[in-house]
Amino acid sequence: AQSVTQPDIHITVSEGASLELRCNYSYGATPYLFWYVQSPGQGLQLLLKYFSGDTLVQGIKGFEAEFKRSQSSFNLRKPSVHWSDAAEYFCAVEPPGRRALTFGSGTRLQVQP
Amino acid sequence: DTGVSQNPRHKITKRGQNVTFRCDPISEHNRLYWYRQTLGQGPEFLTYFQNEAQLEKSRLLSDRFSAERPKGSFSTLEIQRTEQGDSAMYLCASNPSGGSTDTQYFGPGTRLTVL
Repeated sequence: AQSVTQPDIHITVSEGASLELRCNYSYGATPYLFWYVQSPGQGLQLLLKYFSGDTLVQGIKGFEAEFKRSQSSFNLRKPSVHWSDAAEYFCAVEPPGRRALTFGSGTRLQVQP
Repeated sequence: DTGVSQNPRHKITKRGQNVTFRCDPISEHNRLYWYRQTLGQGPEFLTYFQNEAQLEKSRLLSDRFSAERPKGSFSTLEIQRTEQGDSAMYLCASNPSGGSTDTQYFGPGTRLTVL
């Protein structure tokens, strides 16, 4: 079945530590790939997106993501986490031939001082 | 503020009542989307419009739900005979239709609580 999986429901990291959030997708062709962040009471904000080309994508707030076709993955990374990064992170795909986004179930990031 | 706006931000209603939400997309964005997000889950697609035409509807959109975008600008989402299972955050997004690579920009959502 076509799906987007975020295996980690909840992750806690210390401020200043590195971060990697996992995302795997299951589609016949490579979809367009996105990472969004949602803070309490805020709308979804786009961090970065991948359509084609360079497989390492830079985004806002110091985030980057790497597309790995062989692993059907699009993991989000940040070298040094700030307390303000605490939020829920969603991986999303736009399946080939469709306009609607399919989201993963999200990963809640907690940042310890 | 030129982002996507949604009203109301919160709605509490009793089971069986009808509710209507409004979404104002970013100016000149001719695609508009509705999603539903329940607690602990990612948003789920409900429907989308290109201008005033409703081009796709999810199976989640039961016959109690109806969405309109009569003039190709703002959109409304109505839920008739609300049920407790309708309690969720309803999100609206928009983007231009220049190509398939356009990012969807999301509004802050309308949180619905059905008592």
